[in-house]
Formats: sequence, C-alpha cells, structure tokens
Amino acid sequence: DAKTTQPPSMDCAEGRAANLPCNHSTISGNEYVYWYRQIHSQGPQYIIHGLKNNETNEMASLIITEDRKSSTLILPHATLRDTAVYYCIVRVVTTSGTYKYIFGTGTRLKVLA
Amino acid sequence: DAGVIQSPRHEVTEMGQEVTLRCKPISGHDYLFWYRQTMMRGLELLIYFNNNVPIDDSGMPEDRFSAKMPNASFSTLKIQPSEPRDSAVYFCASSFRVGAPRAGTQETQYFGPGTRLLVL
Repeated sequence: DAKTTQPPSMDCAEGRAANLPCNHSTISGNEYVYWYRQIHSQGPQYIIHGLKNNETNEMASLIITEDRKSSTLILPHATLRDTAVYYCIVRVVTTSGTYKYIFGTGTRLKVLA
Repeated sequence: DAGVIQSPRHEVTEMGQEVTLRCKPISGHDYLFWYRQTMMRGLELLIYFNNNVPIDDSGMPEDRFSAKMPNASFSTLKIQPSEPRDSAVYFCASSFRVGAPRAGTQETQYFGPGTRLLVL
C-alpha cells in the first residue's frame, strides 16, 4: 500500500506557483520523499527528493515539515507543459534491506492558460 | 545518452501467446526495474535487479511472469501464457545508487517510454 496521500486533482493558472501537497504520516526516519511526474502516457520523470531539509533544483522546490509527516512540491512559475500527474513517493526500506518506490495515485495538475 | 530504451512500444497479442518485452538500461546504471501501470492499480513495481541479479521479485503477479537480465545492458520480461488481464503499460527504469545502504542512499530512477500491451 502507498504510504502517501495526495489530492486527486488541482488546477493552476499559467505563470502562477503550483503547490502540490502530500501527506506521509507513517514515514520512517530513514525514508526519503521523492517526487516524479508523468506527462500524458510517457514514463515518469524525476523532479526532486529530500529527507529532512527543504530542497530546490532547477525544476521545483520541496518543502518538508519538521515532523516529516507532510511535504509540498512547489513549481514556482507553472507553464502549460507542467500539466501532468505528479506522484509523491516514499522510498521504503524493506525488511530485507532493499529499497522500493511505492507509487500512490498522484495528483493530476492542470495548468490553465 | 539515449535514455532507457524499451521495445516494442506497442504489442497486441491473443490470449495464450507468449509475450517478451525488452529493455536496455542507461549505460553505467547498476539497478534495473520493471513496473506495470493500469488504471485500476496504478504503477506497481514487479521486480528489480542489482548488477544483473534479481533482488526483489515480490511484485511479480504469478508464475506466468518471468524476468531475466543476462548482462548489464539488456533485460527481458516474459509473460507465458498471456491473459487479457495482463493488458497494461510496462515500464522499465534504471538507476545507480550513491551512498552506503541504510545510510541515506541517493538515487534517481530514469524511466523508459513504456510498452503498451494489449492481450485480446
């Protein structure tokens, strides 16, 4: 089962910031939060990841709450090309010591002109 | 780099036939993953390999599914015999991990374009 909860859909005006929330209240101390997106029927594309601290790269910013139970992905200036399904993923450590991504249902972001 | 390459991109077959999906990971990556995506179940991890060795196949649905990685640049996912409920998009992904196990290993998975399988 997915360890994340996301709203099923969101709209955002072009040029505005898109803030996509994610709840991961059962996350463990050594589990990372990853964000990927899937545009139409393409393969998922990596966006950003983090453990405790906020992170920023050329695509987005990731804000993780201090208790690590939730996070927000921020696309600072959304464009029409950012229309996609955004997945918040907790990378779990299995009992055998291996890593696995558990994908949830994602948020379908629609950027409006 | 060409990225992760998958073939075929589309496959239509009849129930009972054998289906073989192929994947070429990014050169230098030591992890390879097979995922399946359906409307009902979303993206599911089927199996993954590290240095050509299967590490976790707990997501493989049943014995009809098998995966191999004979070398670092090639992997196959085989379904024999295929059934209509196997219809899905199958993605291959590859990555390399930086860092010690359990100590915050970093990784980015790069996904291929997927194979859209339809079993009639």
